[in-house]
Amino acid sequence: GAGVSQSPSNKVTEKGKDVELRCDPISGHTALYWYRQSLGQGLEFLIYFQGNSAPDKSGLPSDRFSAERTGGSVSTLKIQRTQQEDSAVYLCASSPGLLGTQYFGPGTRLLVL
Amino acid sequence: QQQVKQSPQSLIVQKGGISIINCAYENTAFDYFPWYQQFPGKGPALLIAIRPDVSEKKEGRFTISFNKSAKQFSLHIMDSQPGDSATYFCAASEGGSYIPTFGRGTSLIVHP
Repeated sequence: GAGVSQSPSNKVTEKGKDVELRCDPISGHTALYWYRQSLGQGLEFLIYFQGNSAPDKSGLPSDRFSAERTGGSVSTLKIQRTQQEDSAVYLCASSPGLLGTQYFGPGTRLLVL
Repeated sequence: QQQVKQSPQSLIVQKGGISIINCAYENTAFDYFPWYQQFPGKGPALLIAIRPDVSEKKEGRFTISFNKSAKQFSLHIMDSQPGDSATYFCAASEGGSYIPTFGRGTSLIVHP
């Protein structure tokens, strides 16, 4: 079946603007994860969902970041008042359940000017 | 504090050679060690993984070697091919935790 999809694939925005990034997980996957990948860095965990709930928000870098998931499927990562340091690739992954293999989407490349 | 240290940052190998990427960890509670392969413009994909009850796992040309006492594990790519050119990430997680800790990645280039 289809893999994890993310949109947009690329986003260029101006400092101070808000952005929304979308993730469509693999159908039936109950767990969904957001990561941030900066140049030369590993994957930084941001947040995960089990169903629609997000028990662990500790990875969100600031209160400008928020995420939600509806219907146990699509998730949206929102960044308010973007800063240049927010520029990165934002990756979404899903898994059949917690502890299962994570399948990653292609990412959204965000550039804040 | 970086819990998983990966080296080298970049690696250039000739076709047919052996590529070796090393990772070291600090948390002795880690018990699952996956390797991910990431091609440009794509998300990471699970390549191979090992648990500490074995010292080696081989899948095709890819082998993980694990040294529990040294808290080190490595990925060996035998007969490296240009199609193996990608970024490789090691990771580690502990039982009950679903969030792997990733190394910073190794950019591998295999010359024809």
